[in-house]
Amino acid sequence: KQEVTQIPAALSVPEGENLVLNCSFTDSAIYNLQWFRQDPGKGLTSLLLIQSSQREQTSGRLNASLDKSSGRSTLYIAASQPGDSATYLCAVEMDSSYKLIFGSGTRLLVRP
Amino acid sequence: ETGVTQSPTHLIKTRGQQVTLRCSSQSGHNTVSWYQQALGQGPQFIFQYYREEENGRGNFPPRFSGLQFPNYSSELNVNALELDDSALYLCASSLPGTGDYGYTFGSGTRLTVV
Repeated sequence: KQEVTQIPAALSVPEGENLVLNCSFTDSAIYNLQWFRQDPGKGLTSLLLIQSSQREQTSGRLNASLDKSSGRSTLYIAASQPGDSATYLCAVEMDSSYKLIFGSGTRLLVRP
Repeated sequence: ETGVTQSPTHLIKTRGQQVTLRCSSQSGHNTVSWYQQALGQGPQFIFQYYREEENGRGNFPPRFSGLQFPNYSSELNVNALELDDSALYLCASSLPGTGDYGYTFGSGTRLTVV
């Protein structure tokens, strides 16, 4: 059974810092991995999607990496801003699957 | 191109009642998935509909049921509401098998059962 874990559960940093969010999964036979952002009480916004054959994806100040063999992904946020404050969720889709399996998220606060 | 729209945004129901949540999928997407997100947790998969048929189901009891319509919009029905059903219900649409791998989520319906 696939399990997705995100560490840390919460993170508070001063504005301008570079930071790394971690996601681990127990079954390496994934189809893809997605990182989402969720603002309080809101839906999910897709940030980056990494196919199982890819090692990383970049969008602006965000960079996500994937190491299938070790069951790990990281989301790197450069030069953090207060507007980056949100919960970041990692989700995997398994081969021939029809569902996303989510971690519990990392709640990020960027202090001005 | 429209996104995923969910209605209502908030709902308060009494234990034992029934509720229907609605979702309009993103234009061109033929698959709709429903997720339940309890406070402080990641979303949990309820079920998915593809071409009006249930295409997979998570670990939820039969009182959670759904429909998908010819225009690919969808409904989630929950009977005999329990206090633990209080959560944010998220709908996501997708277009599998085409190279468009992502899921587009709606803003959710916040259900409170009292």
